Amino acid sequence: DVKVTQSSRYLVKRTGEKVFLECVQDMDHENMFWYRQDPGLGLRLIYFSYDVKMKEKGDIPEGYSVSREKKERFSLILESASTNQTSMYLCASSSILPDRGRNYGYTFGSGTRLTVV
Amino acid sequence: RKEVEQDPGPFNVPEGATVAFNCTYSNSASQSFFWYRQDCRKEPKLLMSVYSSGNEDGRFTAQLNRASQYISLLIRDSKLSDSATYLCVVNGGIGAGNNRKLIWGLGTSLAVNP
Repeated sequence: DVKVTQSSRYLVKRTGEKVFLECVQDMDHENMFWYRQDPGLGLRLIYFSYDVKMKEKGDIPEGYSVSREKKERFSLILESASTNQTSMYLCASSSILPDRGRNYGYTFGSGTRLTVV
Repeated sequence: RKEVEQDPGPFNVPEGATVAFNCTYSNSASQSFFWYRQDCRKEPKLLMSVYSSGNEDGRFTAQLNRASQYISLLIRDSKLSDSATYLCVVNGGIGAGNNRKLIWGLGTSLAVNP
C-alpha cells in the first residue's frame, strides 16, 4: 500500500527554535507538498517540489523553507518558530499520469500537530 | 471569488438518507477533479476522482459539469460512518506547475444521525 510517513505525530517547540518536519514517501512520486491546515482556513500550500533539489513557493511560504535532497524525502524547516505557526502540518505526494498529464490526486501523511509555546 | 467553493454545512441527516454536495470552481482550465474525505483530526483521504462522464463507486456518485464548472457528490443510504468533512478538489489547470497543484475547497461537514 502507498505510504507517506511523517516523522512526528505531535510536537511542542519553543518560540525561536529551528524546527524540522520530515516526510518520506515510498511510491517513487515526483511531486511532494507541504500544507498547513487551520480551522476555517482549510489547506494552505506552503511549498512544493517537482523533483530532487527543486522547490517552488506555495501560497504561504514566509517563515518556512524546504529541502529535497532525495526523491523520497521532503523536509519542512521553520527557521525560527513563532506561535502563529502552531498548526497541523500535512505532507503529501503525487504522480502525474503520463497520458494527457492527468493528476492522480495526492496521498497524505497522517500529519504533525505542532504547538509553538 | 474563491477558486473552489463549497457550502460548509453542516448537513445533518438521518441514517439511510440521500445527501448531495455541490461545488463550483473558477478555473476553466482545470482538468482533474476529486472528492476527498477528512475525518476529525485526521488527514484527507481520496474518496473518488470525478470524470466527465460521471462515475459511481457503491453508494457514492460523482458528476462533473464542465460548462457550468460544477461538481457534485451524491451519497445514497447514508451510514453513521459517512460522518466526515468532504473536500472538493480541482487541479490548477494546464502547464506542468499548475497541473501538479491541487486547489482545495474548505469542505462540507456531514453528520449522519441514528
